[in-house]
Amino acid sequence: DTEVTQTPKHLVMGMTNKKSLKCEQHMGHRAMYWYKQKAKKPPELMFVYSYEKLSINESVPSRFSPECPNSSLLNLHLHALQPEDSALYLCASSWDRGSNQPQHFGDGTRLSIL
Amino acid sequence: GQQLNQSPQSMFIQEGEDVSMNCTSSSIFNTWLWYKQDPGEGPVLLIALYKAGELTSNGRLTAQFGITRKDSFLNISASIPSDVGIYFCAGQGNFGNEKLTFGTGTRLTIIP
Repeated sequence: DTEVTQTPKHLVMGMTNKKSLKCEQHMGHRAMYWYKQKAKKPPELMFVYSYEKLSINESVPSRFSPECPNSSLLNLHLHALQPEDSALYLCASSWDRGSNQPQHFGDGTRLSIL
Repeated sequence: GQQLNQSPQSMFIQEGEDVSMNCTSSSIFNTWLWYKQDPGEGPVLLIALYKAGELTSNGRLTAQFGITRKDSFLNISASIPSDVGIYFCAGQGNFGNEKLTFGTGTRLTIIP
């Protein structure tokens, strides 16, 4: 069982809806990440939070809005998404951003945009 | 974004066979990671390598960090049905350049 918990597991939404993805970890990790993964492809980094502050935004469209309310929680707010945004959204965490701190992934939210 | 060259892209083997896959890069990495992803789940960390030349085992899995820091391999001995899945390598640089660069993945299928 993963120690990074993501909810919901599946989400279907229309292009005009607003929804949020949630991620939680209780390992005391101070870096948290959002990735997008299309079928048969590796994960692609979207955002990195370090000590609850946004440190990397990989030029993600503004219809994706991340939020880190505290060190254990990471949200991804979705609004006016496009069909091409359908994908598996993965959350990950690590002790910090250093290269000797491997990232641990949740099981993801499978998002479908109608 | 940048991806690592991972091979083979797919493997079809019989239960009990050994498996070998590798990743190569034009860039140097400080850390190499190997993940396995099952359908409908997130990647699970198998082995982390931190030092050039390092050879690390985790049960039936063995991985090595290449001496040039530009490559890594993963071996699985005596494969079993639960080894089926997609294996990703990932390289990581120094602080400030610590984004994971993933390989393209190796899909392992076990033939009954």
